[in-house]
Amino acid sequence: AQSVTQLGSHVSVSEGALVLLRCNYSSSVPPYLFWYVQYPNQGLQLLLKYTSAATLVKGINGFEAEFKKSETSFHLTKPSAHMSDAAEYFCAVSDWGNTPLVFGKGTRLSVIA
Amino acid sequence: DAGVIQSPRHEVTEMGQEVTLRCKPISGHDYLFWYRQTMMRGLELLIYFNNNVPIDDSGMPEDRFSAKMPNASFSTLKIQPSEPRDSAVYFCASSPPGQGFGNTIYFGEGSWLTVV
Repeated sequence: AQSVTQLGSHVSVSEGALVLLRCNYSSSVPPYLFWYVQYPNQGLQLLLKYTSAATLVKGINGFEAEFKKSETSFHLTKPSAHMSDAAEYFCAVSDWGNTPLVFGKGTRLSVIA
Repeated sequence: DAGVIQSPRHEVTEMGQEVTLRCKPISGHDYLFWYRQTMMRGLELLIYFNNNVPIDDSGMPEDRFSAKMPNASFSTLKIQPSEPRDSAVYFCASSPPGQGFGNTIYFGEGSWLTVV
Protein backbone atom coordinates (compact mmCIF):
# COMPACT_ATOMS: atom_id res chain seq x y z
CA ALA A 1 0.00 0.00 0.00
CA GLN A 2 1.17 3.48 -0.75
CA SER A 3 2.22 5.89 2.00
CA VAL A 4 3.66 9.37 2.41
CA THR A 5 6.09 10.77 4.95
CA GLN A 6 6.46 14.50 5.38
CA LEU A 7 9.58 15.39 7.31
CA GLY A 8 8.93 18.19 9.75
CA SER A 9 5.48 19.02 11.04
CA HIS A 10 6.43 22.70 11.24
CA VAL A 11 8.85 24.71 9.11
CA SER A 12 9.63 28.35 9.73
CA VAL A 13 11.38 30.59 7.19
CA SER A 14 12.08 34.28 6.84
CA GLU A 15 10.30 36.32 4.21
CA GLY A 16 12.35 36.13 1.01
CA ALA A 17 14.12 32.91 2.00
CA LEU A 18 13.98 29.59 0.21
CA VAL A 19 11.08 27.31 1.07
CA LEU A 20 11.79 23.56 1.12
CA LEU A 21 9.13 21.12 2.28
CA ARG A 22 10.09 17.47 2.19
CA CYS A 23 8.00 14.53 1.04
CA ASN A 24 8.99 10.89 0.64
CA TYR A 25 6.60 8.30 -0.69
CA SER A 26 6.21 4.57 -0.84
CA SER A 27 4.44 2.99 -3.77
CA SER A 28 4.59 -0.44 -5.36
CA VAL A 29 3.91 0.95 -8.83
CA PRO A 30 4.72 4.27 -10.53
CA PRO A 31 3.20 6.96 -8.38
CA TYR A 32 1.09 9.98 -9.07
CA LEU A 33 2.16 12.67 -6.61
CA PHE A 34 0.41 15.79 -5.41
CA TRP A 35 0.93 18.82 -3.22
CA TYR A 36 -2.11 20.50 -1.70
CA VAL A 37 -2.24 23.65 0.41
CA GLN A 38 -4.69 24.48 3.18
CA TYR A 39 -5.11 28.06 4.34
CA PRO A 40 -6.66 28.65 7.78
CA ASN A 41 -10.30 27.67 8.01
CA GLN A 42 -10.43 26.54 4.39
CA GLY A 43 -10.41 23.31 2.42
CA LEU A 44 -7.40 21.96 0.58
CA GLN A 45 -6.54 23.20 -2.90
CA LEU A 46 -4.15 21.76 -5.46
CA LEU A 47 -0.71 23.35 -5.77
CA LEU A 48 0.76 20.97 -8.34
CA LYS A 49 0.82 17.34 -9.40
CA TYR A 50 3.08 14.80 -11.09
CA THR A 51 1.38 12.22 -13.27
CA SER A 52 4.31 10.59 -15.11
CA ALA A 53 5.18 13.42 -17.48
CA ALA A 54 8.01 15.91 -16.81
CA THR A 55 9.76 15.24 -13.51
CA LEU A 56 9.99 18.95 -12.63
CA VAL A 57 6.51 20.22 -12.05
CA LYS A 58 5.56 23.87 -11.73
CA GLY A 59 2.51 24.89 -9.78
CA ILE A 60 0.66 27.97 -8.66
CA ASN A 61 2.12 30.82 -6.61
CA GLY A 62 5.69 30.12 -7.73
CA PHE A 63 5.96 26.65 -6.20
CA GLU A 64 7.59 23.70 -7.93
CA ALA A 65 8.46 20.11 -7.09
CA GLU A 66 10.77 17.53 -8.58
CA PHE A 67 10.01 13.83 -8.78
CA LYS A 68 13.13 11.80 -7.96
CA LYS A 69 12.47 8.10 -8.38
CA SER A 70 15.86 7.02 -7.00
CA GLU A 71 15.20 8.93 -3.79
CA THR A 72 11.44 8.25 -3.69
CA SER A 73 11.02 11.95 -3.06
CA PHE A 74 8.81 14.80 -4.24
CA HIS A 75 10.04 17.84 -2.33
CA LEU A 76 8.26 21.18 -2.70
CA THR A 77 10.29 24.37 -3.18
CA LYS A 78 9.81 28.07 -3.71
CA PRO A 79 12.78 30.43 -4.20
CA SER A 80 11.43 33.30 -2.12
CA ALA A 81 8.82 33.01 0.62
CA HIS A 82 5.99 35.51 0.96
CA MET A 83 3.91 36.14 4.04
CA SER A 84 0.91 34.85 2.13
CA ASP A 85 2.55 31.40 1.82
CA ALA A 86 1.89 30.70 5.50
CA ALA A 87 -0.37 27.65 5.46
CA GLU A 88 -0.47 23.87 5.91
CA TYR A 89 0.98 21.85 3.04
CA PHE A 90 0.05 18.24 2.29
CA CYS A 91 1.82 15.74 0.06
CA ALA A 92 -0.28 12.90 -1.36
CA VAL A 93 0.28 9.78 -3.45
CA SER A 94 -1.83 7.52 -5.65
CA ASP A 95 -0.69 4.25 -7.17
CA TRP A 96 -0.57 5.20 -10.87
CA GLY A 97 -3.81 7.12 -10.48
CA ASN A 98 -5.66 3.87 -9.77
CA THR A 99 -6.06 4.24 -6.00
CA PRO A 100 -7.50 7.01 -3.82
CA LEU A 101 -5.00 9.56 -2.61
CA VAL A 102 -3.17 8.90 0.61
CA PHE A 103 -2.17 12.13 2.33
CA GLY A 104 0.78 12.85 4.57
CA LYS A 105 0.31 14.39 8.00
CA GLY A 106 1.06 17.85 6.68
CA THR A 107 3.72 20.51 7.27
CA ARG A 108 2.78 23.87 8.68
CA LEU A 109 4.78 26.67 7.07
CA SER A 110 5.32 29.88 9.01
CA VAL A 111 6.84 32.94 7.32
CA ILE A 112 8.58 35.46 9.53
CA ALA A 113 8.79 39.11 8.52
CA ASP B 1 -18.78 28.11 -10.98
CA ALA B 2 -19.60 27.34 -7.37
CA GLY B 3 -17.25 25.02 -5.58
CA VAL B 4 -18.11 22.13 -3.30
CA ILE B 5 -20.69 23.34 -0.83
CA GLN B 6 -20.92 21.90 2.67
CA SER B 7 -23.35 22.52 5.49
CA PRO B 8 -23.36 23.20 8.32
CA ARG B 9 -20.01 24.97 8.58
CA HIS B 10 -20.00 24.60 12.35
CA GLU B 11 -21.96 22.26 14.58
CA VAL B 12 -21.84 21.76 18.31
CA THR B 13 -23.89 18.86 19.59
CA GLU B 14 -24.26 16.77 22.68
CA MET B 15 -23.01 13.24 22.95
CA GLY B 16 -25.60 10.76 21.79
CA GLN B 17 -27.27 13.09 19.32
CA GLU B 18 -27.53 12.41 15.60
CA VAL B 19 -25.40 14.56 13.32
CA THR B 20 -26.00 14.99 9.60
CA LEU B 21 -23.47 16.70 7.38
CA ARG B 22 -24.44 17.70 3.87
CA CYS B 23 -22.54 18.17 0.64
CA LYS B 24 -23.24 19.46 -2.85
CA PRO B 25 -20.42 18.50 -5.23
CA ILE B 26 -19.36 20.47 -8.27
CA SER B 27 -21.71 19.88 -11.18
CA GLY B 28 -20.36 17.31 -13.63
CA HIS B 29 -18.00 15.66 -11.17
CA ASP B 30 -18.45 11.93 -10.85
CA TYR B 31 -16.33 11.19 -7.77
CA LEU B 32 -17.32 12.31 -4.29
CA PHE B 33 -15.15 11.85 -1.23
CA TRP B 34 -15.70 12.30 2.50
CA TYR B 35 -12.58 13.00 4.57
CA ARG B 36 -12.05 13.59 8.28
CA GLN B 37 -9.24 15.77 9.59
CA THR B 38 -7.91 15.65 13.16
CA MET B 39 -4.67 16.74 14.75
CA MET B 40 -3.83 13.21 15.80
CA ARG B 41 -4.67 11.28 12.63
CA GLY B 42 -4.36 13.91 9.91
CA LEU B 43 -6.56 13.62 6.84
CA GLU B 44 -8.38 10.31 6.55
CA LEU B 45 -10.55 9.10 3.69
CA LEU B 46 -13.82 7.80 5.11
CA ILE B 47 -15.74 6.80 1.98
CA TYR B 48 -15.95 7.62 -1.68
CA PHE B 49 -18.61 7.36 -4.36
CA ASN B 50 -18.39 7.05 -8.12
CA ASN B 51 -21.50 7.98 -10.10
CA ASN B 52 -23.50 8.00 -6.84
CA VAL B 53 -22.46 4.44 -5.95
CA PRO B 54 -20.41 3.83 -2.78
CA ILE B 55 -17.15 2.21 -3.87
CA ASP B 56 -15.06 1.93 -0.72
CA ASP B 57 -16.25 2.58 2.82
CA SER B 58 -13.36 0.84 4.55
CA GLY B 59 -12.34 4.13 6.15
CA MET B 60 -15.62 4.57 8.00
CA PRO B 61 -14.56 4.12 11.62
CA GLU B 62 -17.65 2.44 13.03
CA ASP B 63 -21.19 1.44 12.26
CA ARG B 64 -22.27 4.72 13.82
CA PHE B 65 -21.12 6.37 10.60
CA SER B 66 -23.11 6.13 7.40
CA ALA B 67 -23.07 7.99 4.09
CA LYS B 68 -25.49 8.26 1.21
CA MET B 69 -25.54 9.84 -2.21
CA PRO B 70 -29.12 9.74 -3.48
CA ASN B 71 -28.30 11.75 -6.61
CA ALA B 72 -25.39 13.40 -8.39
CA SER B 73 -25.81 16.70 -6.59
CA PHE B 74 -26.20 15.69 -2.97
CA SER B 75 -24.54 13.54 -0.33
CA THR B 76 -24.87 13.15 3.42
CA LEU B 77 -22.62 11.82 6.16
CA LYS B 78 -24.48 10.80 9.28
CA ILE B 79 -23.18 9.98 12.73
CA GLN B 80 -25.62 8.30 15.10
CA PRO B 81 -25.07 8.37 18.01
CA SER B 82 -22.28 10.94 18.14
CA GLU B 83 -19.39 10.73 20.61
CA PRO B 84 -16.80 13.29 21.73
CA ARG B 85 -14.07 11.47 19.79
CA ASP B 86 -15.98 12.26 16.60
CA SER B 87 -15.03 15.92 17.00
CA ALA B 88 -13.15 16.85 13.84
CA VAL B 89 -13.35 18.74 10.59
CA TYR B 90 -15.22 16.78 7.94
CA PHE B 91 -14.46 17.60 4.34
CA CYS B 92 -16.44 16.73 1.29
CA ALA B 93 -14.59 16.77 -2.01
CA SER B 94 -15.30 15.96 -5.63
CA SER B 95 -13.33 15.33 -8.81
CA PRO B 96 -14.19 15.33 -12.51
CA PRO B 97 -14.36 12.30 -14.81
CA GLY B 98 -11.31 10.98 -16.65
CA GLN B 99 -7.80 10.17 -15.34
CA GLY B 100 -9.16 8.25 -12.36
CA PHE B 101 -7.48 9.41 -9.18
CA GLY B 102 -4.99 11.46 -11.15
CA ASN B 103 -7.53 14.23 -11.34
CA THR B 104 -7.56 17.29 -9.15
CA ILE B 105 -9.74 16.91 -6.08
CA TYR B 106 -11.79 19.97 -5.15
CA PHE B 107 -12.48 20.34 -1.45
CA GLY B 108 -15.29 22.10 0.34
CA GLU B 109 -14.54 24.42 3.22
CA GLY B 110 -15.35 21.73 5.77
CA SER B 111 -17.85 21.12 8.53
CA TRP B 112 -16.38 21.72 11.99
CA LEU B 113 -18.01 19.27 14.38
CA THR B 114 -17.71 19.47 18.15
CA VAL B 115 -19.39 16.81 20.27
CA VAL B 116 -19.60 17.69 23.97
